[in-house]
Amino acid sequence: AQSVTQLGSHVSVSEGALVLLRCNYSSSVPPYLFWYVQYPNQGLQLLLKYTTGATLVKGINGFEAEFKKSETSFHLTNPSAHMSDAAEYFCAVSDQNNQGGKLIFGQGTELSVKP
Amino acid sequence: SAVISQKPSRDICQRGTSLTIQCQVDSQVTMMFWYRQQPGQSLTLIATANQGSEATYESGFVIDKFPISRPNLTFSTLTVSNMSPEDSSIYLCSASTGAVSGNTIYFGEGSWLTVV
Repeated sequence: AQSVTQLGSHVSVSEGALVLLRCNYSSSVPPYLFWYVQYPNQGLQLLLKYTTGATLVKGINGFEAEFKKSETSFHLTNPSAHMSDAAEYFCAVSDQNNQGGKLIFGQGTELSVKP
Repeated sequence: SAVISQKPSRDICQRGTSLTIQCQVDSQVTMMFWYRQQPGQSLTLIATANQGSEATYESGFVIDKFPISRPNLTFSTLTVSNMSPEDSSIYLCSASTGAVSGNTIYFGEGSWLTVV
């Protein structure tokens, strides 16, 4: 079975500051890992994903995440927050063994950006 | 890439009625899924929509409440039956290319249902 834990249901940063959203996963098989963003009253947008290969993954809008197998983590970072980054962020896990896109989501982290 | 269209995008439904949500993908995909997002919560997988056969439901979800069809590779429907206010949620359709080496997972914009 797989699971995802996002530490912190709400994170608040100042504009221009570093953003760090934490995600830890549990999986008995090699995972695929994803970060999605949901802006208010909108659907899900893929920020980035890790499947295989390079463990540092770069996504859209300056976000990146690093897969650390030893720590079972996939934390999302952005070196400089913008007001437009305010949204709900979801970490998700799938597995490489023929699940074909079935995702298990974390509880989400709401990011607020202060001027 | 694939674009997923869902209809309706929003609806207000009366208690006790049923509503069918349609999901159309603009290209052939391997897997299709339905998720529910209750207000202020994360996404929970309802079921995998299997082409030409019965859907595979996750724990806590049953066919009588959430009948699902998938007549072909690009289209699926989810019906929310005998609705109650607790069914007020966003229902999202998802599709995957299903390639083992690097599947890409797409989401629709969601169908926002309010049950009154």
